[in-house]
Amino acid sequence: AQKITQTQPGMFVQEKEAVTLDCTYDTSDPSYGLFWYKQPSSGEMIFLIYQGSYDQQNATEGRYSLNFQKARKSANLVISASQLGDSAMYFCAMRDVPNAGGTSYGKLTFGQGTILTVHP
Amino acid sequence: EAGVTQSPTHLIKTRGQQATLRCSPISGHTSVYWYQQALGLGLQFLLWYDEGEERNRGNFPPRFSGRQFPNYSSELNVNALELEDSALYLCASSVIILGTDNQPQHFGDGTRLSIL
Repeated sequence: AQKITQTQPGMFVQEKEAVTLDCTYDTSDPSYGLFWYKQPSSGEMIFLIYQGSYDQQNATEGRYSLNFQKARKSANLVISASQLGDSAMYFCAMRDVPNAGGTSYGKLTFGQGTILTVHP
Repeated sequence: EAGVTQSPTHLIKTRGQQATLRCSPISGHTSVYWYQQALGLGLQFLLWYDEGEERNRGNFPPRFSGRQFPNYSSELNVNALELEDSALYLCASSVIILGTDNQPQHFGDGTRLSIL
């Protein structure tokens, strides 16, 4: 079974500074995808960034980047130049690769989340 | 393009009643997923529908059920409501490309179900 662990219930960062949100995972599958989502207080889940298990490079999307260490089974999210609007809950999630039968895969397994607060 | 839409935004029911939540996926997405986000429990996978069929089911009792229609929209039905069913129910949609895993699930704003 897959498991995602986010050990930081809450993080604080000063505006314009960088912050790292931790995520470790456990899976026996050789192929998987890792995703980060942002959930503001309004409730919607916003997709931020994806990292594939076979990707050689760390993923980047604007101010978001992933520090992917496959051997350590970690996929930490780095937010550079924090903004007040970054204050939200952040979830790390994992998904198996859909198999040829198209069954038993596709679901996301989420961590417990980290609440990020950006101070002015 | 329109995102995933869910209705209603809020739903208030009493114990023992039945609730129906609706979801319209992004155009072109054939897969719909349902998740429950209860206070203190994080996001739990409920159901996955693709091409009209149930593909996977989370660890929830049978009173949680759903279906996917020919236009790929979906309904989640919860029968015999219990107080513990109070939660935010999120629907997501994606395309499925076998052998790849990089298609993100795009979420709606959720339906907040409150059981009195």
